[in-house]
Amino acid sequence: SQTIHQWPATLVQPVGSPLSLECTVEGTSNPNLYWYRQAAGRGLQLLFYSVGIGQISSEVPQNLSASRPQDRQFILSSKKLLLSDSGFYLCAWSMSGLSTDTQYFGPGTRLTVL
Amino acid sequence: AQSVTQLGSHVSVSEGALVLLRCNYSSSVPPYLFWYVQYPNQGLQLLLKYTTGATLVKGINGFEAEFKKSETSFHLTKPSAHMSDAAEYFCAVSVTSGTYKYIFGTGTRLKVLA
Repeated sequence: SQTIHQWPATLVQPVGSPLSLECTVEGTSNPNLYWYRQAAGRGLQLLFYSVGIGQISSEVPQNLSASRPQDRQFILSSKKLLLSDSGFYLCAWSMSGLSTDTQYFGPGTRLTVL
Repeated sequence: AQSVTQLGSHVSVSEGALVLLRCNYSSSVPPYLFWYVQYPNQGLQLLLKYTTGATLVKGINGFEAEFKKSETSFHLTKPSAHMSDAAEYFCAVSVTSGTYKYIFGTGTRLKVLA
């Protein structure tokens, strides 16, 4: 069966510091991968998605970036965090080639920027 | 362009009462629709989805939803609320333009009163 992991589970970082959040998927090959952000009391905002290694689509221009160095690894990064980057970050995956397929979510990372 | 509207950011019901969470969508093509549940500080879990075929969809935990094209609705119901149903619920529509994206509603927080 497929599983999705995210780490760390929680993170407190000062403004201006770098960020690296990692997501890995097990039990499937060439998944579509997604990064979402959920701010307090808000819905889910799609940040990036990837349909293959090195293929990243950005939905919202901001100081975040994403990379996919391996088939089942998706990384969210920032060089300098802003207060507005605080939130709950969710990674998700879906089957390759099916744009309408179910997305399965990881447990999330709670980021607080102080 | 597709969109999703969830009416009521907060809904309270008594234990044992009917749960009704509303979702309306806008789509120029036949939509694929999803309901997810999120418990505090956790990722999203799929409750049910509609793709094609039967318009009444049954999901996990006793939930079901009915796709009504004429009303552009996909409301979520459960005949009898349980305390464990307290969570946030998200409706989503799949963007069928081949871009592998969902559009999420802003969520409805369900409170179950003893």
